[in-house]
Order: sequence, then structure tokens, then C-alpha cells
Amino acid sequence: NAGVTQTPKFQVLKTGQSMTLQCAQDMNHEYMSWYRQDPGMGLRLIHYSVGAGITDQGEVPNGYNVSRSTTEDFPLRLLSAAPSQTSVYFCASRSNFYGYTFGSGTRLTVV
Amino acid sequence: TQLLEQSPQFLSIQEGENLTVYCNSSSVFSSLQWYRQEPGEGPVLLVTVVTGGEVKKLKRLTFQFGDARKDSSLHITAAQPGDTGLYLCAGASRAGGTSYGKLTFGQGTILTVHP
Repeated sequence: NAGVTQTPKFQVLKTGQSMTLQCAQDMNHEYMSWYRQDPGMGLRLIHYSVGAGITDQGEVPNGYNVSRSTTEDFPLRLLSAAPSQTSVYFCASRSNFYGYTFGSGTRLTVV
Repeated sequence: TQLLEQSPQFLSIQEGENLTVYCNSSSVFSSLQWYRQEPGEGPVLLVTVVTGGEVKKLKRLTFQFGDARKDSSLHITAAQPGDTGLYLCAGASRAGGTSYGKLTFGQGTILTVHP
């Protein structure tokens, strides 16, 4: 019973590099989302998806792209990493209005 | 933009003491959730409150949703070192369109319970 799986757990990037943070869930959840967590800021919504083929922007979408080709996967792409994107990233999914399940996070450092 | 103000930001207490964490907003939420997060892990859902005035208890934790569904509180009785962690409140958007179910998080409360 894996739940929400995020990879990698840690990543260091140089400014300008690109990368994809992977998120997969095995619970057949329709709703998936990406958050970033910074000290004193709580979690801020980057992008979310209400189902395969449907995505929308959250509170802090600039510098990030997403796509949702399957119910299971919701990757987050950084096209040109910047030091301001240094953060801990969490993927979450829910099956109904109430139950959110979070992954264990990806700690990203951009130097 | 919906905002949730969570207080206090830090709380350091001795084992056995009681504490309350507050979560306030000027916006109305369809539901209010509380999460607990440990270092290196993602938030874990503790409870969801839906109805204005609702009170839920989870062992020594009591959660309350304000009558107007704009605020919530978490009360811990006789805190234990195992309660140490980051506590987050999160409000869910009202139903409608693709914004249905989006979560807005408070800044979090770092609780340390000393033996």
C-alpha cells in the first residue's frame, strides 16, 4: 500500500538547469496537487489537477509546469531552476473532499 | 486570495501542560483540516471539521470549527513529548468549478514538549 510516492528525495541543481519531480499515487485518486514548503510560509499550492488531462494554476505557479496524462502520475517540471525555487516540494492526492494524502517530499536546493 | 493566520508560530511547553493553537481567517471555508508533520515527512491528516460549531476529539486532542466556519482551534490536554511536531491547519475552498477542494494552509505551529 504505497500511497503517494515522490522521487527523488533530495536534489541539488545548478541555476538554469531543468528537472522533473516525479509523483505517483496508487489509490486511483482524481485530485492531485503540488505544494512547496518554506520556513514560516506553510505550504503554498503550485499547480493542481482534478483529473487526467486537466490542470490548473495554484498560488505560486511561475517557473513550474505540470501535465496529467494518467490518473496515477503528476510530474512537476522546473524549466530553468532559480535559487528562489530552493524548497521542499510535496505532492498530495485526495479521493474525496476530505481525505488528503501527502508524499514524503523532495528537498530541492538550487545553487 | 484566502488567508489563514495560525498562532502561535512557536510553542515550547513542559510535559503535562495544556495548549491551544488557533487558526483564523476572514474567509469562509467549506471545511477545515488539521495536519501534523514530522521532520523529513509529509503532513499527515489528523481531522476534518465540516459543520460550523463542530467539535471533534481524538484522544487528548480536541478540534473545534467556529460557528461562522472562519476559524478553528486545536487543544491538546496533558501534552506529551510524542506530541512534538509541526501542526498545520488548512481550509478547503467552497465547492464550485475546478477550485473545489483546494487547500489553503496556515503558516504552522512548531510545538516542542519537553520531558
